[in-house]
Amino acid sequence: DTEVTQTPKHLVMGMTNKKSLKCEQHMGHRAMYWYKQKAKKPPELMFVYSYEKLSINESVPSRFSPECPNSSLLNLHLHALQPEDSALYLCASSRKTDPYAVHFGPGTRLTVT
Amino acid sequence: SQQGEEDPQALSIQEGENATMNCSYKTSINNLQWYRQNSGRGLVHLILIRSNEREKHSGRLRVTLDTSKKSSSLLITASRAADTASYFCATQNSGNTPLVFGKGTRLSVIA
Repeated sequence: DTEVTQTPKHLVMGMTNKKSLKCEQHMGHRAMYWYKQKAKKPPELMFVYSYEKLSINESVPSRFSPECPNSSLLNLHLHALQPEDSALYLCASSRKTDPYAVHFGPGTRLTVT
Repeated sequence: SQQGEEDPQALSIQEGENATMNCSYKTSINNLQWYRQNSGRGLVHLILIRSNEREKHSGRLRVTLDTSKKSSSLLITASRAADTASYFCATQNSGNTPLVFGKGTRLSVIA
């Protein structure tokens, strides 16, 4: 299995809702990432997990809460989001051996109303 | 933070022509990678070139790297309509630092 899967594909939520994005990979990768991408912009790194531990948080607001339950799963919990948080959220994974290619999931298109 | 700058921002060519995209970066790197993204989808890894390599080929793709100029180019030969996508360069500094993406080039191949 050489792919990263993400659910849901699309999500519409209100500013008072709580929702979660899910990501799964079965490539044995020990690094997992969340990126945020606005239209016509490059992906921006949000979080990095290394061996199931949070290693990088790029000063992301606390309304985004990542979780790595095990080496194959990565979640992003959303709460009290703002309309400007609407974006494509991309999960990715990679080996930890330097250098490495990053494998991306198809993304979750999030709309905050 | 952003490292790379792609040039041009947008490129439109006829099917069968070659497409060249350039990427410049600011700091020393361990490797540089190119990714493709079809509209609203995830990114697909195309090719990785290490800092001690100057040129690499993969099918219709040719990548060059000039570390003295801190620049790279991606050449797609004999383009097809299916090559229509955004192309991003991404750099990785030494060690296990995450990728940093450039702004991207939007390529349109007209049949």
